[in-house]
Amino acid sequence: DIQMTQSPSSVSASVGDRVTITCRASQGIFDWLAWYQQKPGKAPKLLIYTASSLQSGVPSRFSGSGSGTDFTLTISGLQPEDFATYYCQQTNTFPLTFGGGTKVEIK
Amino acid sequence: QLQLQESGPGLVKPSETLSLTCVVSGGSINSGTHYWGWIRQPPGKGLEWIGTIYYSGSTHYNPSLRSRVTISVDTSKNQFSLLLTSVTAADTALYYCARVDRYQWLDPWGQGTLVTVSS
Repeated sequence: DIQMTQSPSSVSASVGDRVTITCRASQGIFDWLAWYQQKPGKAPKLLIYTASSLQSGVPSRFSGSGSGTDFTLTISGLQPEDFATYYCQQTNTFPLTFGGGTKVEIK
Repeated sequence: QLQLQESGPGLVKPSETLSLTCVVSGGSINSGTHYWGWIRQPPGKGLEWIGTIYYSGSTHYNPSLRSRVTISVDTSKNQFSLLLTSVTAADTALYYCARVDRYQWLDPWGQGTLVTVSS
């Protein structure tokens, strides 16, 4: 199985801050990576697919980059509604696997 | 707008079989453009992919659960189902269904249903 490692596991930030979350795959996955946002009590929501493609309706302050084994999710100008947990998922190989999550908290 | 809704018992006894159904509305499960999947999340923990099915019935399962999992599809009812046998407390989780893109990202998701394994 491909292991997905996210860092940090949590980050404290203020409204307006730029936040960067990292996801590392245990082997190369080209750009087959998705990012999700999950708010408490809600289902995950797709933000980005193929590492950098923004899902329709997702604000442009969210961006993704990377390929191979190292990927980043950046939130440029954190908004109050962005405080949530973020997960990466590799879509290259079965079994599909997720990172452990990064909780973005209010500073 | 495509919507998915999970349903099933919220409490299952150890060693018994967990059975959930996901009803799809606002779109056809046999459109052929997407797969359909199950994912679970133990309370306070991360996400685990369970398996994926195509409308034709072809499946992919997580090897960690393969011996206990069956996913099936009923195109006449526009729904798909999950069976998980011989459950233990470790199977207690929020179970989600989702539409799966052919490149395996998940969107949208159902709201999830909590299944507790306890006697």
